[in-house]
Amino acid sequence: GESVGLHLPTLSVQEGDNSIINCAYSNSASDYFIWYKQESGKGPQFIIDIRSNMDKRQGQRVTVLLNKTVKHLSLQIAATQPGDSAVYFCAEMGYGNKLVFGAGTILRVKS
Amino acid sequence: KAGVTQTPRYLIKTRGQQVTLSCSPISGHRSVSWYQQTPGQGLQFLFEYFSETQRNKGNFPGRFSGRQFSNSRSEMNVSTLELGDSALYLCASSIGQGDQPQHFGDGTRLSIL
Repeated sequence: GESVGLHLPTLSVQEGDNSIINCAYSNSASDYFIWYKQESGKGPQFIIDIRSNMDKRQGQRVTVLLNKTVKHLSLQIAATQPGDSAVYFCAEMGYGNKLVFGAGTILRVKS
Repeated sequence: KAGVTQTPRYLIKTRGQQVTLSCSPISGHRSVSWYQQTPGQGLQFLFEYFSETQRNKGNFPGRFSGRQFSNSRSEMNVSTLELGDSALYLCASSIGQGDQPQHFGDGTRLSIL
């Protein structure tokens, strides 16, 4: 039969604007979360991580927010640049160092 | 510091053959994990090795296997290849203890004809 591929949500933003990418995770017991960026032809690249004892963590131009009550993560990118165009994945760390990935979000930056 | 290196980058095989993929982790990292990425299923965990021992395994058939050597380098093997095994196979390394990020290589693109 015909397989149904994942339909990734797409976020289109203007260069210089801020981007917010959202992610729902599944396991309320997860206590470590990571955001990755994947460009075409490359493997996922680590962006930022956060532990469950925090609700916010900032990096260079990026901020991750964690809401454990509703099992929700978001990645905020300030002053989005064309080089930020990629697929973004959130991942939760499960038992035994296993990462469980979300489906991903395509970020398109318009110049 | 060199990143995670995967070889080969591209591979074409036919149904029924077997294949071995290689991964060299970041220096000092003792954990190596393997993931399969397809358009239909996304990124899925295959297995994880730490100090030459498999610590965790995902929901893949026994045709998928792996091993890790004393220098932390890892290989994964897929036997009796099927069309559905066409995918990007990604290796990630980490320190392996505590909550530490996994760092990925650029993968091996396996195509089954």
